[in-house]
Amino acid sequence: DTGVSQDPRHKITKRGQNVTFRCDPISEHNRLYWYRQTLGQGPEFLTYFQNEAQLEKSRLLSDRFSAERPKGSFSTLEIQRTEQGDSAMYLCASSLIQEAKETQYFGPGTRLLVL
Amino acid sequence: DQQVKQNSPSLSVQEGRISILNCDYTNSMFDYFLWYKKYPAEGPTFLISISSIKDKNEDGRFTVFLNKSAKHLSLHIVPSQPGDSAVYFCAASARKGGSEKLVFGKGTKLTVNP
Repeated sequence: DTGVSQDPRHKITKRGQNVTFRCDPISEHNRLYWYRQTLGQGPEFLTYFQNEAQLEKSRLLSDRFSAERPKGSFSTLEIQRTEQGDSAMYLCASSLIQEAKETQYFGPGTRLLVL
Repeated sequence: DQQVKQNSPSLSVQEGRISILNCDYTNSMFDYFLWYKKYPAEGPTFLISISSIKDKNEDGRFTVFLNKSAKHLSLHIVPSQPGDSAVYFCAASARKGGSEKLVFGKGTKLTVNP
């Protein structure tokens, strides 16, 4: 399977704990995006990387959130001191810029439940 | 402030008929538009896109129309099939404005009845 993969698919944690999610993009894609989706809403942008550089961060990304893409391949998203409001689906997408066209391809998501 | 709006939360059509899903946007900087389909417990799947320099793009049963003056786009599916039943998201980006992020609507749940 050469699509975007995310791990874990589901995570249940207690409030105050730290969690980390991983995303493996499509291998030749140089851009990687993180989005968050809550019930009844569309995905909301969190941050994106071009290679290893983090180029844009949403104001949704509080200081409890940190994302890395150390070698320009996979990425991790860490949430520290989780809160119940962090419960959501966390989606990763990757893309390749070609001739000024770009399509983001999404992974299956990690569903987080904070108790 | 919702920049991309899908005002119909749901739509039901008969198999074989046309499905028309609508999307409005407010940000005139948006220059690239996409439609994604999403099944429960899966990530969004890309369907079709259109650049602001075009007013129509077609791919098989799917056609997207863009009306820039009205800031409106629509997705036509014809003929509709039961497997098309899913939530459809409209998304937009302002690439010339230097932002690559996608801004999504809330989605429209399409049900195609056999």
